[in-house]
Amino acid sequence: EVQLVESGGGLVQPGGSLRISCAASGFIFSNYWMSWVRQAPGKGLEWVASIEKGGYEKNYVDSVKGRFTISRDNAQSSLSLQMNSLRVDDTAIYYCAYGVWFFNYWGQGALVTVSS
Amino acid sequence: EIVLTQSPGTLSLSPGERASLSCRASQSVTSSNLAWYQQKPGQAPRLLIYGASTRATGIPDRFSGSGSGTDFTLTISRLEPEDCAVYYCQQYGSLPRTFGQGTKVEIK
Repeated sequence: EVQLVESGGGLVQPGGSLRISCAASGFIFSNYWMSWVRQAPGKGLEWVASIEKGGYEKNYVDSVKGRFTISRDNAQSSLSLQMNSLRVDDTAIYYCAYGVWFFNYWGQGALVTVSS
Repeated sequence: EIVLTQSPGTLSLSPGERASLSCRASQSVTSSNLAWYQQKPGQAPRLLIYGASTRATGIPDRFSGSGSGTDFTLTISRLEPEDCAVYYCQQYGSLPRTFGQGTKVEIK
C-alpha cells in the first residue's frame, strides 16, 4: 500500500524559513517523479514543484521560484521542500504527491501558517 | 499558463440523478492530458480520471470522463450520497501544471 506521510509543518513569521518532509513507502520511491501541491485555507489546489527520479531535474511554479527548493533522498525514500522568504500568501496545506503529470497518491498534508 | 475554468460552481442534485461537470481550458490541452480529482472535507484529493477518460484504479464505473482540446466533462451517472465533494480538473500537458477552481457537488 502506497503511503505518503508529511511532517514539519507549523507557524512561521513572514520572511522566515521552514522545511517540510514526506516519508514514502509501499512503492519503489527512486523510480518515480514526486511533487508538492498546496491548498490555501478554503481555496483550490495549486501545483508547487516536481522533482525527477534522480533529483536533477526540478520544476517550480513561478510564485515560489528562487524561494523554495525541492529535494529528495532516495536512500531514505524521502521528499523535502525547503521554503525560504515565506510570505503570508504561502499559508496552505502542503501535500506530497506521487507523480509529475497527474497525481495518483497524496499524503494527508502538512499545514504551514505564515503569520506575525 | 493554461487557465482551467470549471462550471457550475455548485451543483445540487438528488441521489440517482446524473451530474455533468464542465472544465474549459484557455488553450488546447496537449494529448488530452487532463485529470479529475475528488476532494471530500478534511481529506486529500483522490485521483478519479486521467488521460481525459481513463478511470484510476478502484474508481466506480459511474464516474466517466470525456472531451478533448479545450472542453472536458466529468459525468457521474447515478449520484450516490458519498459523491458529495468538490471536484477539480487539472491539466498536465504543459508547465505549470494547473487546476480548475473546483465544482462543489451537493446531494439534496
